[in-house]
Amino acid sequence: DAKTTQPPSMDCAEGRAANLPCNHSTISGNEYVYWYRQIHSQGPQYIIHGLKNNETNEMASLIITEDRKSSTLILPHATLRDTAVYYCIVRRTSGTYKYIFGTGTRLKVLA
Amino acid sequence: EAGVAQSPRYKIIEKRQSVAFWCNPISGHATLYWYQQILGQGPKLLIQFQNNGVVDDSQLPKDRFSAERLKGVDSTLKIQPAKLEDSAVYLCASSSRGSGRLNTEAFFGQGTRLTVV
Repeated sequence: DAKTTQPPSMDCAEGRAANLPCNHSTISGNEYVYWYRQIHSQGPQYIIHGLKNNETNEMASLIITEDRKSSTLILPHATLRDTAVYYCIVRRTSGTYKYIFGTGTRLKVLA
Repeated sequence: EAGVAQSPRYKIIEKRQSVAFWCNPISGHATLYWYQQILGQGPKLLIQFQNNGVVDDSQLPKDRFSAERLKGVDSTLKIQPAKLEDSAVYLCASSSRGSGRLNTEAFFGQGTRLTVV
């Protein structure tokens, strides 16, 4: 499974867009990019995933570069409740389907 | 839809004692995961089940940890004997086995916080 690199922490003003980067330069063609977040004292929560096209859902947007070596999770209007650790995970679509978590990015939304 | 249920939420034991955690996945989910999350770190996969079979237990310390998933539904994770370094949150997750991008996200329980003293 490809490894990911994320900044350890970021701050974002409430109401502004939060852009969380992830580097996955060793990603292979059959691997998806997943994003999860973990709010304090809770289990990780699924946000979004994609293969090569940009994706959007009610929570966030995922922008994957054309070479697929990096991606950005965008929270369009961050709120205080978005304060959490955000994990970028590269996951195969065949085999054991396992999720390997790194240390993530600790996002702090400031009032 | 009910989520992944775990119990207990908290457990404090002395080192060398044994402890067991229980997980009830989302109904119909074939895949079940146990993760260990030490404070300040990301979750670490301990074991993955597909129905009642183990597909990955490479990170499970088998000299003291064991897990089972009888009948492919509920699962228990046991530690015997516990060490101080086992203090962590133990997370259970489940997912349906989907092909491609459908229904492959994992849903996590709230975890069991274990403190070994």
